Amino acid sequence: DVVLTQTPPTLSATIGQSVSISCRSSQSLLHSNGNTYLHWLLQRPGQSPQLLIYSVSRLESGVPNRFSGSGSGTDFTLKISGVEAEDLGVYYCVQGTHAPPTFGGGTKLELK
Amino acid sequence: QIQLVQSGPELKKPGESLKISCKASGYTFTDYAMQWVKQAPGKGLQYMGWINTQTGKPTYADDFKERFVFSLETSASTAYLQINNLKNEDTATYFCAMGFAYWGQGTLVTVSS
Repeated sequence: DVVLTQTPPTLSATIGQSVSISCRSSQSLLHSNGNTYLHWLLQRPGQSPQLLIYSVSRLESGVPNRFSGSGSGTDFTLKISGVEAEDLGVYYCVQGTHAPPTFGGGTKLELK
Repeated sequence: QIQLVQSGPELKKPGESLKISCKASGYTFTDYAMQWVKQAPGKGLQYMGWINTQTGKPTYADDFKERFVFSLETSASTAYLQINNLKNEDTATYFCAMGFAYWGQGTLVTVSS
């Protein structure tokens, strides 16, 4: 199975600070159909995960544009440009290119 | 709007069985597969597998090929997760999900003697 390694495991930020989370894959996530199925989720405390970014860089409907995704192949990044209080929680990358889908270990975003 | 509503929390003893439901609404149930995800207390997300809602064929991730059964009641737009011979390590919140965009609220399962 594909292993996704997220760094850092914990991130402390102040409101308004910009932060980045890395997700590195054990193999390329470029599908033979030309798409890359790497997505980002946010799980707020006590809630279900919420899709933020799909296919590396596409913003899910209703998600603020302070969230952005980038990357290719095996290296991907989620950036939050100006953290807000509602952004606190655990961020997961997830890949759907290779069966079975696998999740990164998560990055917990806390207030400094 | 699309909603996935799961059944309520369960408290079971080791060796017992349970069945969790996930009722879908707001879309054509058979148009999309249903996935199941496990989250142990304080831990990350673990993919359990998925069920083809057109054919009813389940596919299980390696860790979930024993004791776990996915099923459907298509007429009720409902997917089920059954766990047999429960073990302490099955204590977790279980989510159903349609793709990664739509998630149920989760069902907390506690296994304790």
